[in-house]
Amino acid sequence: GAGVSQTPSNKVTEKGKYVELRCDPISGHTALYWYRQSLGQGPEFLIYFQGTGAADDSGLPNDRFFAVRPEGSVSTLKIQRTERGDSAVYLCASSLIAGGMDTQYFGPGTRLTVL
Amino acid sequence: SQQGEEDPQALSIQEGENATMNCSYKTSINNLQWYRQNSGRGLVHLILIRSNEREKHSGRLRVTLDTSKKSSSLLITASRAADTASYFCATDKAGSYQLTFGKGTKLSVIP
Repeated sequence: GAGVSQTPSNKVTEKGKYVELRCDPISGHTALYWYRQSLGQGPEFLIYFQGTGAADDSGLPNDRFFAVRPEGSVSTLKIQRTERGDSAVYLCASSLIAGGMDTQYFGPGTRLTVL
Repeated sequence: SQQGEEDPQALSIQEGENATMNCSYKTSINNLQWYRQNSGRGLVHLILIRSNEREKHSGRLRVTLDTSKKSSSLLITASRAADTASYFCATDKAGSYQLTFGKGTKLSVIP
C-alpha cells in the first residue's frame, strides 16, 4: 500500500468493553508510533516501536492501554475496560528509521467513541 | 502534555492572501515540523526545519525558526481554498523519538 492504513475507521463501543485498533505501516518502515487526539487538541504521543519492541511507552495513560507489534510490521493498540474519556481519534504513524530527522507519515486514524 | 502553542487559534482569509501562523514551544528541540490536518483525521507532513536552520522554503510555504525565542512561523503565500485545514507544529527533542504537537491553527480560506 502507498500509505499507513488503520482499521476500523470508526469504532463505537460501550463503557467497559475491550477494543482493538489496527495499524498497517508503510512497507519497510521500521519505526511505528501511536498518538491520540482529543477534540480541539493536537495529537499526543502514546507509544513508539522500533521493530517488534516497544522502545518508548511513556505516553500510555494507564495500564488499560497496551500495544503490540509481534512481527515488526502491523501493530495493534488494545484498550481494556474502556471509559468515556478514551473517546478520541487514535492516529498511527510510521517512519523509515527512528528519530525526529525522519518524517513520520500518519494514517487516517480510528475515531473511537465510548458510550 | 502539549509542548507548543499555535497562534492564532483560528484564521480566516480571502483566497489569494497570505496566511501566517506562529508556534511557540517550551524546551530545547532537535527539529520542528509543520503538519496539515483536514477534517480532524490524518496529518500530512509539510516541512521540517532543523534547530540549526533559520529559514526553509517549500513551494508556497516558508518556515522560519528562532531558537532564541523558541518560536517558529509558517507562511502560506497566495492561499487557495484547498489550503483550508488545521495546521500543527510538532517538535522533537534530542534522544526522544516522539513528536510533541501544539493545539493547532484552524485556517479557513474563503473563495
